[in-house]
Amino acid sequence: DVKVTQSSRYLVKRTGEKVFLECVQDMDHENMFWYRQDPGLGLRLIYFSYDVKMKEKGDIPEGYSVSREKKERFSLILESASTNQTSMYLCASSMGSGYHNEQFFGPGTRLTVL
Amino acid sequence: GNSVTQMEGPVTLSEEAFLTINCTYTATGYPSLFWYVQYPGEGLQLLLKATKADDKGSNKGFEATYRKETTSFHLEKGSVQVSDSAVYFCALSNTNAGKSTFGDGTTLTVKP
Repeated sequence: DVKVTQSSRYLVKRTGEKVFLECVQDMDHENMFWYRQDPGLGLRLIYFSYDVKMKEKGDIPEGYSVSREKKERFSLILESASTNQTSMYLCASSMGSGYHNEQFFGPGTRLTVL
Repeated sequence: GNSVTQMEGPVTLSEEAFLTINCTYTATGYPSLFWYVQYPGEGLQLLLKATKADDKGSNKGFEATYRKETTSFHLEKGSVQVSDSAVYFCALSNTNAGKSTFGDGTTLTVKP
């Protein structure tokens, strides 16, 4: 069974802390994505990566950075967490090039910043 | 740019009722179209997809037909069950990097 796993289901951090969210996929997918999901706003793309060490900004990259040192792992970093980054974070992956391929999602990390 | 507009929710139906969730899109070229479902406490999972005009995607009794002339991909099910209660997302992809544009999601609640 294909799988995307995220390091934590729930996380509570304090304002100003550096936060790492980890995502691992076991499907040898080239593409990986980080989204945040907020009520009434749907899914918004933060960053994506189409290859190791490659990354591109999504729609809302401010306040976030990412790292992809290995193909299977894509990390989202909040350099200095703020309360407006309280949200559900979803990681996804998809196969190669071409736009017929669906995305596979992890279970999400619900982050609360106090 | 790309956009996906979904029927606003929430939608509440009785068991065995007919379901339609409308989805229309704006995109250049010939996008692939997807419906994802998110059950409570979980991530999204693919429900069905269609990759060219007039294709019909189907899964678990759900269907959607890719209508290029009306730029639509409406989700239908003939008889919903309580277990279909979830959030449904319409999405499109038209880039080789696999990026997708998602609608805002429609929450469906099915009552026994």
